[in-house]
Amino acid sequence: DGGITQSPKYLFRKEGQNVTLSCEQNLNHDAMYWYRQDPGQGLRLIYYSQIVNDFQKGDIAEGYSVSREKKESFPLTVTSAQKNPTAFYLCASSIYVSSTEAFFGQGTRLTVV
Amino acid sequence: DAKTTQPPSMDCAEGRAANLPCNHSTISGNEYVYWYRQIHSQGPQYIIHGLKNNETNEMASLIITEDRKSSTLILPHATLRDTAVYYCIVRAPEGGATNKLIFGTGTLLAVQP
Repeated sequence: DGGITQSPKYLFRKEGQNVTLSCEQNLNHDAMYWYRQDPGQGLRLIYYSQIVNDFQKGDIAEGYSVSREKKESFPLTVTSAQKNPTAFYLCASSIYVSSTEAFFGQGTRLTVV
Repeated sequence: DAKTTQPPSMDCAEGRAANLPCNHSTISGNEYVYWYRQIHSQGPQYIIHGLKNNETNEMASLIITEDRKSSTLILPHATLRDTAVYYCIVRAPEGGATNKLIFGTGTLLAVQP
């Protein structure tokens, strides 16, 4: 089945450690995105990528890094510089950045203790 | 992107139509109205979009006022599985790298048995 997969669903890390969240899609989409969601809040854009080997900062990129070495993969690293990393992280993809429809993964809930 | 205003929450009886309003009084002529929904702890799901004409698909209907300053998403026969946060978003389909989906806080629709 085609889709977008995030793993793991739940992730726990100690404060000060970097952690990488996985996002893979087999939809052959050029554009991929990372959003962060805090309780009771909407989604905020962290990074997005229009094409392989290219990515752009979103509204809250500080403390995060990404790579786009392959079309199907867009991993997000939450670094120790991110002051409040505990959140629900969502990955999405679309055919291209201005597509009408984006497809979302099921999310990774990161808890930093 | 134009801002949207939605009520924070609504109730609907199971089997009845759910009508979710959205105000977008500053919408530009080339901006579409999109609706997504997010079931608790899952990724958002695309529902429908439109420019000026009313639209219908297997999930919902979208009614856009003639002046395009507001719209209503209609779920014709709400079920308990329709309980979710519904997001109304406006954006232009073109615009390249700066054309991102911006999510607000949406409307929490609670379908009651």
